[in-house]
Amino acid sequence: GIQVEQSPPDLILQEGANSTLRCNFSDSVNNLQWFHQNPWGQLINLFYIPSGTKQNGRLSATTVATERYSLLYISSSQTTDSGVYFCAVERNQGGKLIFGQGTELSVKP
Amino acid sequence: GAVVSQHPSWVICKSGTSVKIECRSLDFQATTMFWYRQFPKQSLMLMATSNEGSKATYEQGVEKDKFLINHASLTLSTLTVTSAHPEDSSFYICSAFFGGSGSTGETQYFGPGTRLLVL
Repeated sequence: GIQVEQSPPDLILQEGANSTLRCNFSDSVNNLQWFHQNPWGQLINLFYIPSGTKQNGRLSATTVATERYSLLYISSSQTTDSGVYFCAVERNQGGKLIFGQGTELSVKP
Repeated sequence: GAVVSQHPSWVICKSGTSVKIECRSLDFQATTMFWYRQFPKQSLMLMATSNEGSKATYEQGVEKDKFLINHASLTLSTLTVTSAHPEDSSFYICSAFFGGSGSTGETQYFGPGTRLLVL
């Protein structure tokens, strides 16, 4: 099956710093999403981005489908950005997502 | 975004008992819901796909007789962990699949999860 690898596995930032999270996938996909899981376990959709670039406030994401990777940029990080960021891909239609192992982000005040 | 609820949010039970977890989509109809399991410090693993009015489709390695899924309506799916054992202790998360289009695409909205502890 398709493999989804995220890096780095852990990241500690000082408040205000910028960061880039990476997601590599081993085969072509028709859907890629980024999620943030807060410390209480709730998963929040960040981006639906099978290709191209999107921005939402301090967050932006870029997926280069031909090279099978996606990047999530966090600028001017805040303590509320802490949590685990997951990349998930969908190979076929129907919504079945395959998750990467996540990047655990900790933003210190 | 769409709202998906789960009940209960946490449950503690004795080994051998059964536990039912409900997943509801509150503001849209979901023909498909998914059930995931997440162990501490690990990723989400898909357990099964729940389609309204039909039998659930289980992922390889998931015991269908142990994890009973019922999708009785377009807004409700239930997961019953039968004869629970300590190794079933985990964080169970459901999602409702929204087949959108355009910039939102086909996306899933996740419930807040249910923490199960089997003693």
